[in-house]
Amino acid sequence: ETGVTQSPTHLIKTRGQQVTLRCSSQSGHNTVSWYQQALGQGPQFIFQYYREEENGRGNFPPRFSGLQFPNYSSELNVNALELDDSALYLCASSFLTGEGYTFGSGTRLTVV
Amino acid sequence: GQNIDQPTEMTATEGAIVQINCTYQTSGFNGLFWYQQHAGEAPTFLSYNVLDGLEEKGRFSSFLSRSKGYSYLLLKELQMKDSASYLCAVRDRTDKLIFGTGTRLQVFP
Repeated sequence: ETGVTQSPTHLIKTRGQQVTLRCSSQSGHNTVSWYQQALGQGPQFIFQYYREEENGRGNFPPRFSGLQFPNYSSELNVNALELDDSALYLCASSFLTGEGYTFGSGTRLTVV
Repeated sequence: GQNIDQPTEMTATEGAIVQINCTYQTSGFNGLFWYQQHAGEAPTFLSYNVLDGLEEKGRFSSFLSRSKGYSYLLLKELQMKDSASYLCAVRDRTDKLIFGTGTRLQVFP
């Protein structure tokens, strides 16, 4: 098992810019989900991908988009960054309906 | 709406027992998870309950009552390294995880 890896670990962007965050799923997992965690809060569900299709979305605007690739790695894209987008972004991989979600260490995004 | 409630902060003494409660109202229920998260790090899996009752794993136990929408995480023989945030999360009928805000536990010597 290689675990879930995310890149980059830290990122500073300017308001209005676009950002792409990356996630490599744990070997054998077919589902990836993304979460936004503001300081002092629990993670908030952004969306989930299963076999390259989005199969669930939280209460986030369309400027948050994603992709899952055939090797089950994934990207989170955020357009037109706002100051409130500053947060820790977590990726988690799993089997659909499985017991275990394995989280990556996250990407700390700061928008200035 | 979907709602998960847990206390914001708790304190306890090294060697003691602490119980962290979680109540939930969600669109369907496909299991409840507890995660531990140290500051600036990823959540790490502690326990999973899908049926009523108690699940025990070493110093950690988790209890679920689906009829009451209630769970607790029990930590025994507390150690300083147990100081962390503890996240309760429910998988709803669309298989997404809904998290509470987390309970920050501080363990004192």
